[in-house]
Amino acid sequence: IAGITQAPTSQILAAGRRMTLRCTQDMRHNAMYWYRQDLGLGLRLIHYSNTAGTTGKGEVPDGYSVSRANTDDFPLTLASAVPSQTSVYFCASSDSAEGMGKLFFGSGTQLSVL
Amino acid sequence: GQNIDQPTEMTATEGAIVQINCTYQTSGFNGLFWYQQHAGEAPTFLSYNVLDGLEEKGRFSSFLSRSKGYSYLLLKELQMKDSASYLCAVRDSNYQLIWGAGTKLIIKP
Repeated sequence: IAGITQAPTSQILAAGRRMTLRCTQDMRHNAMYWYRQDLGLGLRLIHYSNTAGTTGKGEVPDGYSVSRANTDDFPLTLASAVPSQTSVYFCASSDSAEGMGKLFFGSGTQLSVL
Repeated sequence: GQNIDQPTEMTATEGAIVQINCTYQTSGFNGLFWYQQHAGEAPTFLSYNVLDGLEEKGRFSSFLSRSKGYSYLLLKELQMKDSASYLCAVRDSNYQLIWGAGTKLIIKP
């Protein structure tokens, strides 16, 4: 592994189902982020974690939850998916929260909720 | 509210020069970033400006004027592989990144 790995690459999900998007990094970065990207809009921050054991809410956190049990993993869970959560999801990391800006992104997950 | 504005789409010719503008209104300022995103791929870091002036990196340069809330990304000697979206992002006083919607750059032969 080199960088950030996201899984799955794409997923079609029935509304109401639970789904966890996985994100793993091997750069030992302290800060990690989940963004969603929708056509015509800028990247929007869902949740973030400045260091293992801590998490925070971003701009659009409703319907999503995260955990940060260790430095490498930062899964994003949709407890009960809705069609408005159809989007491309990117996980990202940076060496520190204060240094945030130069982000390293995973390859993304295309999620369709029907 | 916080806002980042950049053109939706631009077209340029291979070998030419193109300037992509970005204006911003944010709660504080702690740096401006440009990212490149090819279709279907993740964004990748291009440049960072925190002081006024021009930062040059090969064929790409980025300019910042904090008093005007303005930046541009200059791409020289355009190549077909430069066809991508270019994202402008500003780090606000809370060290959160505010993203523009991106400029899709189309390069024609």
